[in-house]
Amino acid sequence: TQLLEQSPQFLSIQEGENLTVYCNSSSVFSSLQWYRQEPGEGPVLLVTVVTGGEVKKLKRLTFQFGDARKDSSLHITAAQPGDTGLYLCAGVPGTYKYIFGTGTRLKVLA
Amino acid sequence: ETGVTQTPRHLVMGMTNKKSLKCEQHLGHNAMYWYKQSAKKPLELMFVYSLEERVENNSVPSRFSPECPNSSHLFLHLHTLQPEDSALYLCASSQDVAGRGYTFGSGTRLTVV
Repeated sequence: TQLLEQSPQFLSIQEGENLTVYCNSSSVFSSLQWYRQEPGEGPVLLVTVVTGGEVKKLKRLTFQFGDARKDSSLHITAAQPGDTGLYLCAGVPGTYKYIFGTGTRLKVLA
Repeated sequence: ETGVTQTPRHLVMGMTNKKSLKCEQHLGHNAMYWYKQSAKKPLELMFVYSLEERVENNSVPSRFSPECPNSSHLFLHLHTLQPEDSALYLCASSQDVAGRGYTFGSGTRLTVV
């Protein structure tokens, strides 16, 4: 069974701090996606990384795909309260059969 | 209206009731999905429709019955549910089934009493 483990599960930080969320698997994926889910809403796609070692930036968010395409990280610089939410990674094996991670619940305090 | 719209947003039903969840997408996508999101568990894929044809039933109990009358609409018919079926039910759509990323609806929070 393919699994994607995210760490940490919970993170509570002060506004302005930096943080990194990790997504790890023993399986290789053709691509990996990150979603953010706010309370009462569905997940929203943030980014897709495709190439091993790829780094993508979305304003203060930096996403990296591991060289072996088994893991990924999300780094947030100078976190803001608007970054609060559940961050989900999803491993894509090349079809719709995504493997979703267990999620990291982030709370940024003003 | 754009995106993926789900109704109702909240639903409380008894174990002997029959109810339906509705999903509508205005994106011109060809694939639609039902997911179940429970606390402390990863998102669970339930059903997949591609061009109105069901391509996946991920071992879902028969008390959940999907229907896709056209490429823009997806329903999940519910009957004789159990309390453990209480969860957030998410509908999603994508351009195709090749794994290019989902657009999710806001979900229906279902409580079975």
